[in-house]
Amino acid sequence: DSGVTQTPKHLITATGQRVTLRCSPRSGDLSVYWYQQSLDQGLQFLIQYYNGEERAKGNILERFSAQQFPDLHSELNLSSLELGDSALYFCASSPGYGNTIYFGEGSWLTVV
Amino acid sequence: GEDVEQSLFLSVREGDSSVINCTYTDSSSTYLYWYKQEPGAGLQLLTYIFSNMDMKQDQRLTVLLNKKDKHLSLRIADTQTGDSAIYFCAESIRDGQNFVFGPGTRLSVLP
Repeated sequence: DSGVTQTPKHLITATGQRVTLRCSPRSGDLSVYWYQQSLDQGLQFLIQYYNGEERAKGNILERFSAQQFPDLHSELNLSSLELGDSALYFCASSPGYGNTIYFGEGSWLTVV
Repeated sequence: GEDVEQSLFLSVREGDSSVINCTYTDSSSTYLYWYKQEPGAGLQLLTYIFSNMDMKQDQRLTVLLNKKDKHLSLRIADTQTGDSAIYFCAESIRDGQNFVFGPGTRLSVLP
């Protein structure tokens, strides 16, 4: 158990819908990262937050957004969902810069 | 740009050694990592190495780092069926502000 908690574990939704994925980082970790893993794209970095502020942005679509709250948990919002958004979404956390990151178990999203 | 490359597949026989290779691009990487992903699970940190080290050994795992060639390898001794998984190489970039992962190497262990 890495200490990073993600909910829900599985989610099935229809095209055009909006979902929210939630992440609780390890106790004391200030940085949260979101990754998308699909069969054809591998592990893609989406976005990083550090102590509530956005720090780095990767291949995140405009239909997706995220935030980190004062209690350091984070949410990833996916809207106008398309079939191609079906993937495993990982949250990871670390104490700060230059530290190892630890992954949650992921949220499986299936768009039908 | 930053890029990490790995071969996608490796098959070995149970009891043999496995060697998974990785090349990276950021010469200022402070840490380099190996993660293991079993089916349906998250990425589990296996080991990491500081960039000023050449080798790190941890039980059956040996990590070798060639900084000049920007080459990292993970050797698993006495490979078991439970080692079957996807192994990701990763580097920290921009003074540890972020991480770049390779595509993963799928290790299959044959009986």
